[in-house]
Amino acid sequence: DSGVTQTPKHLITATGQRVTLRCSPRSGDLSVYWYQQSLDQGLQFLIHYYNGEERAKGNILERFSAQQFPDLHSELNLSSLELGDSALYFCASSPQTELTEAFFGQGTRLTVV
Amino acid sequence: GENVEQHPSTLSVQEGDSAVIKCTYSDSASNYFPWYKQELGKRPQLIIDIRSNVGEKKDQRIAVTLNKTAKHFSLHITETQPEDSAVYFCAASIKLIQGAQKLVFGQGTRLTINP
Repeated sequence: DSGVTQTPKHLITATGQRVTLRCSPRSGDLSVYWYQQSLDQGLQFLIHYYNGEERAKGNILERFSAQQFPDLHSELNLSSLELGDSALYFCASSPQTELTEAFFGQGTRLTVV
Repeated sequence: GENVEQHPSTLSVQEGDSAVIKCTYSDSASNYFPWYKQELGKRPQLIIDIRSNVGEKKDQRIAVTLNKTAKHFSLHITETQPEDSAVYFCAASIKLIQGAQKLVFGQGTRLTINP
């Protein structure tokens, strides 16, 4: 167990819908990173939050947004879903903005039908 | 650049033999290089990491070497066991504006240990 918790574990939804994925970082970690992993693909960086503030954006679509709350949990919002958005979505946490050990949650498998 | 190239994409070795996976990176400012193991349908699990001020690090059967000049780093697994079968990802830290960092991952190596 990495100490990073993601919910839900599985999500099936229809095209055009909106979903929210949740991530609770390890106790004491201030940074949360979101990654997308499509079938047989590597991990693509989406966005990074540190202590409630957005610090970096990667290849994140405009239909996607995220935030980190005062209790440090983070949510990734995906809207106007398309079939191609089906993927595993992981969050990872690390103590600071300087990368040390980044531990991943168990992921949310999103299936858009 | 932000590329991390990983080779080979698939690797099959006999149980007990050694496995080596290699990665190259393009950003000379990268200073943190973790390796992750991912079993099917599960989360990437950090197995070893190395910082740019160290040339080699070992943890039991796993070792990582770093050549900053050539910008490449490698994962070495000795005395391989069936449970080592998984996809392995290398990653390199990329510095962004305002002190932020992110990890850029290689495309992964599917390692199969044959009994």
